This record gives sequence, C-alpha cells and structure tokens, in this order.
Amino acid sequence: NAGVMQNPRHLVRRRGQEARLRCSPMKGHSHVYWYRQLPEEGLKFMVYLQKENIIDESGMPKERFSAEFPKEGPSILRIQQVVRGDSAAYFCASSPWFRAGSYNEQFFGPGTRLTVL
Amino acid sequence: EDKVVQSPLSLVVHEGDTVTLNCSYEVTNFRSLLWYKQEKKAPTFLFMLTSSGIEKKSGRLSSILDKKELFSILNITATQTGDSAVYLCAQETSGSRLTFGEGTQLTVNP
Repeated sequence: NAGVMQNPRHLVRRRGQEARLRCSPMKGHSHVYWYRQLPEEGLKFMVYLQKENIIDESGMPKERFSAEFPKEGPSILRIQQVVRGDSAAYFCASSPWFRAGSYNEQFFGPGTRLTVL
Repeated sequence: EDKVVQSPLSLVVHEGDTVTLNCSYEVTNFRSLLWYKQEKKAPTFLFMLTSSGIEKKSGRLSSILDKKELFSILNITATQTGDSAVYLCAQETSGSRLTFGEGTQLTVNP
C-alpha cells in the first residue's frame, strides 16, 4: 500500500525556468494539499484540491504559481519563472473523501526539494 | 490568520529522560489539532485530537488537548536517540487546511 508519492525528490532550476512538481495521493484519497517549507521555517499551506477542482488557494502566491489535480494522473504544482526565493521543500499531503463534520488526518509525501540557482 | 505557537523551539535531553512539548493555538474555526514527527523527510502522522481531556497514547508517546485553554502537549517517556526529530503541531480549521507551528527540535543524546 504505497503512501503519498512525489517526484522528483530533488529539482534544480536556474532563475527564469519553470518547475513542475508532481504528487500522487495515497490509493483511495481524493483530496490533495500542497505545503511549502522555507529554510528554517515551518510548513505553510498553499493550496487544497479535489479532483478537477481547486477548493482553497488562499496560500498560493498570486503570480507564477498554479496547481491542478486532473481527473486522471497526479496533482501538479507549477512554478513559472522561478526566483531564488522559491527554493524550498514542497510537500504534498492527501486525505480520503470525508463527510462534513468528520475528521481525516493528512498523510504527507517525502517532498520535493527545489533549488533555484 | 490562525497562529500556532510551539515551545520550546529546541530541546536537548539524555536517553531515558521524559520530555513535554507544548503547543498553543487560536480558536478560530477549530476542527482538530494534529502532531507530526519530521526527520528530514515527510512529516509522519502521530496524533489527531478533537476532544478536550482525552489522552491519546501510542507506545511511549501520548498527547492531550485542552480546548478551554487552547493548548496541547505531547509527552515522550523513556526517550531514545531515535526520537530525535522535529515535532510539529498543526491546527486544522474548517476547510481542512493545516496551520503549522515552527516545530520543536528534539535531540536525544546517548
């Protein structure tokens, strides 16, 4: 029973290039969350998606960042025209479908460490 | 914005010691409080707390929530070097987003 999978695990980009980070949720999970961990800082929420829907993107920078979770395939976090300040660990988490009022823990993937040169 | 504060930020103990990690949170749209262990990779889920005063246990780890005083503690008894990690506390709010504290860096020396 594979856990949350992320790839690549490490990604190096030059300033101005695009970064694409992928996340495959745990089997049976239909909710995906992306978090960013800057050096020496805690995890910060970015975006919450269900299949084909963005539910909450209040933590996403307004420019250059986008996320999707298509009907088929992994969730993608895309960063256009990367800058040095984007260097961080990007974690994806997933949780199963839940009814309103119930509780479900989020399970995290190993993260993608993005380094912008 | 919701805020989660953990203390201490770092802690160094010897094997066999008992440690208590603290987490305070804000009440806005509270749904649950979660504890994770992070060892240079994915945060690993430890506990989810939703009700006040009910202790959750897993081996040498235990945790409890106080919804009146808005805090939670994580206890680790008979610590081992393998317990060395960053312990993260997170508040889940309505809408399912998690707001994390900065973490407590625990170092257990032999």
